Amino acid sequence: DVKVTQSSRYLVKRTGEKVFLECVQDMDHENMFWYRQDPGLGLRLIYFSYDVKMKEKGDIPEGYSVSREKKERFSLILESASTNQTSMYLCASRGSGGASTDTQYFGPGTRLTVL
Amino acid sequence: AQKITQTQPGMFVQEKEAVTLDCTYDTSDPSYGLFWYKQPSSGEMIFLIYQGSYDQQNATEGRYSLNFQKARKSANLVISASQLGDSAMYFCAMREMIQGAQKLVFGQGTRLTINP
Repeated sequence: DVKVTQSSRYLVKRTGEKVFLECVQDMDHENMFWYRQDPGLGLRLIYFSYDVKMKEKGDIPEGYSVSREKKERFSLILESASTNQTSMYLCASRGSGGASTDTQYFGPGTRLTVL
Repeated sequence: AQKITQTQPGMFVQEKEAVTLDCTYDTSDPSYGLFWYKQPSSGEMIFLIYQGSYDQQNATEGRYSLNFQKARKSANLVISASQLGDSAMYFCAMREMIQGAQKLVFGQGTRLTINP
């Protein structure tokens, strides 16, 4: 079974702090994704990576950056946390075997509160 | 423009009844895929079922089936014989290509509550 883990289930930070959210997958997947989930808006893509050291902006990258130094690990960084970044953050990974049915596998999520 | 629309913010169903969750989509790409995910209160997204745009038959996975109507651009999820454990958020998503990589676009979600 694919396993995607996230470093924290719950996190409380103060405005202006630098925040690191870590995601690790154990299936040797090339593609990794960071989403945020807000009520009524569904999941929105922040950044994704299709290979080590490669990253692409998603739909809402402002205020975020990412790092992928190793294939299994994809980090989301909030350089200076703000209250509007209070949200649920979900990490996902996906192989690139080319099958159209290849789905994304998600971690348990990190609920971040910025005070 | 909204690419995936789920018009039911919440649904309440009696246990053992069938339930249909609506999903409409918008794309000009002739090749696309549609996914349904379940998100229990624990937060993890669980993949349920997939339908490809060229698939001739509607997808089925156990109690889950997908009512795919291509001309109407709808991909409704049908859950037969609902159970209390089916209570969760349900998301419809569409695969699209961006910069050579596949990504998923999600709808707003439907919160399903199964009553005993």
